[in-house]
Amino acid sequence: AQSVAQPEDQVNVAEGNPLTVKCTYSVSGNPYLFWYVQYPNRGLQFLLKYITGDNLVKGSYGFEAEFNKSQTSFHLKKPSALVSDSALYFCAVSHGGYQKVTFGTGTKLQVIP
Amino acid sequence: DAGVIQSPRHEVTEMGQEVTLRCKPISGHDYLFWYRQTMMRGLELLIYFNNNVPIDDSGMPEDRFSAKMPNASFSTLKIQPSEPRDSAVYFCASSFGLAGGSEDTQYFGPGTRLTVL
Repeated sequence: AQSVAQPEDQVNVAEGNPLTVKCTYSVSGNPYLFWYVQYPNRGLQFLLKYITGDNLVKGSYGFEAEFNKSQTSFHLKKPSALVSDSALYFCAVSHGGYQKVTFGTGTKLQVIP
Repeated sequence: DAGVIQSPRHEVTEMGQEVTLRCKPISGHDYLFWYRQTMMRGLELLIYFNNNVPIDDSGMPEDRFSAKMPNASFSTLKIQPSEPRDSAVYFCASSFGLAGGSEDTQYFGPGTRLTVL
């Protein structure tokens, strides 16, 4: 079985400040980890993924995520938040390769001007 | 490519009626996914297809739900009869492959917002 947890329903951050959206996962075997973003009234859009290699993964719109195997975490980060980053963020996990992806419940990011 | 296309964008129906949601995946994608999103349950995978064949339908809530993919460019999700608890946003997504492959990014359609009265 595979699962992912996003412990925060909502994260508020001031514009220009760094942001972190948390994600922890549970899988058997090597994890494949993803972040997607959903803007209002839109479908999910891919941000970044970790398959193997460097623990720090860089993605779209200046976002990055750090894979931490010992803590089974894959937190999403950005050095300086923009108001336009306000959206719903989903962490997702798969295992073993070529398996379906399980999404978290989502974290609403609110960037305050 | 126009991306994943879903229709209708909004559907309001009465309890007991049949509802059919439609999806056109991105051309060339071998995998098609149907998801349901609600405030209470988040994003749930209902079923996915590989090369038009249903692979995993373990997420389909009950027999009232059925999905078909008659060809590579079209899929339907049908609810018959519909109930108020089916109210949700239904997303279709497609990809070249599943997680771990080089082309595993899922591309989502805009969704169909279903309201069952």
